[in-house]
Amino acid sequence: DSGVTQTPKHLITATGQRVTLRCSPRSGDLSVYWYQQSLDQGLQFLIQYYNGEERAKGNILERFSAQQFPDLHSELNLSSLELGDSALYFCASSVGLAASYNEQFFGPGTRLTVL
Amino acid sequence: DAKTTQPNSMESNEEEPVHLPCNHSTISGTDYIHWYRQLPSQGPEYVIHGLTSNVNNRMASLAIAEDRKSSTLILHRATLRDAAVYYCILRDFTTSGTYKYIFGTGTRLKVLA
Repeated sequence: DSGVTQTPKHLITATGQRVTLRCSPRSGDLSVYWYQQSLDQGLQFLIQYYNGEERAKGNILERFSAQQFPDLHSELNLSSLELGDSALYFCASSVGLAASYNEQFFGPGTRLTVL
Repeated sequence: DAKTTQPNSMESNEEEPVHLPCNHSTISGTDYIHWYRQLPSQGPEYVIHGLTSNVNNRMASLAIAEDRKSSTLILHRATLRDAAVYYCILRDFTTSGTYKYIFGTGTRLKVLA
């Protein structure tokens, strides 16, 4: 158990819909990262938040957005869903930002299926 | 794009050592080499990291070439629970002072009983 929790575990929805994935980082971790893992693209970094502020962006679509709340939990919002958005979405957390070394702890993931 | 190159798959017999290679020819002087693994149906988990010297922990050893352009993750006695995809990663620093992991395709390790 990494200490990172993600809800829901599974989500099935239809094209065009909007969903919200939730992540609670490990106690004390200020950084939250979101990743998408699909069969054809592998594990892709989407976005990072540190203490409530966006700090790095990866291959995140404009239809996707995220935020980190004062209690440090984070939500990833996916809208106008397409079939190709079906994937595993992982959240990870780390203590700090980038100084020296920060191990990332990954949650169990949310499996999104878009029908 | 991933900064590392790994074989797609490897096999090992149970209880035998496994050497998982990784090439990272574009590594910079301050880049740490990270290894994570992803067990079936789980999120990635940290294995080990290093900068210049060889490193050991309870899970594995990391051997880093003198020129740092390649490294090898060593599992001293593979068990069936070590069957996973192993990722060798270099951090990609951003202009905002943080970094991101760029995962490659990793090496799928199969352990034979």
